[in-house]
Amino acid sequence: GQQLNQSPQSMFIQEGEDVSMNCTSSSIFNTWLWYKQDPGEGPVLLIALYKAGELTSNGRLTAQFGITRKDSFLNISASIPSDVGIYFCAGLDNYGQNFVFGPGTRLSVLP
Amino acid sequence: ETGVTQTPRHLVMGMTNKKSLKCEQHLGHNAMYWYKQSAKKPLELMFVYNFKEQTENNSVPSRFSPECPNSSHLFLHLHTLQPEDSALYLCASSQDPGQGYYTFGSGTRLTVV
Repeated sequence: GQQLNQSPQSMFIQEGEDVSMNCTSSSIFNTWLWYKQDPGEGPVLLIALYKAGELTSNGRLTAQFGITRKDSFLNISASIPSDVGIYFCAGLDNYGQNFVFGPGTRLSVLP
Repeated sequence: ETGVTQTPRHLVMGMTNKKSLKCEQHLGHNAMYWYKQSAKKPLELMFVYNFKEQTENNSVPSRFSPECPNSSHLFLHLHTLQPEDSALYLCASSQDPGQGYYTFGSGTRLTVV
């Protein structure tokens, strides 16, 4: 089946630094979603991307739908302690029925 | 308030017990999902319901039995589970399958002893 890879798997950054993470696949996806999961909670939607090349912002977060439709990127500017968590990407599968989730990028922010 | 409520938040059960997880959504969505989240693994889709009808069963063992009495409620009935079934079970909903995005509940942390 279709799979998504996320990199890095985990990262430690200093508060105030910018963060970049990506999501890649060998398959084409038609929709990309980025979620954040806090410990003990369910994932919460951050940004949804519906068109190749689309660049969308949500506060300090910016995400892009790759032109090849095989990747997506999430950037966080000026990180703060509450950015700690696991960031998941998800792509809509070929049948347009279900979202496939990546394994996540675990972000730690050091004060 | 995410609009998707799961109960209980935590559950410890023995391997011979029978229990049920409940999910309720107040978003007017037509599709509901059960996911399993184990440590260091991607989210695993278990079941999909669209307008109360099961449209996908992702090779889930029969010791997990879903029930969707209406578009707002989804249950996962558990019986004779194994320790490896311990995980966070997440419910999600969407307007329709493959439409828009998923809204997740907070999950039920299940421990099988």
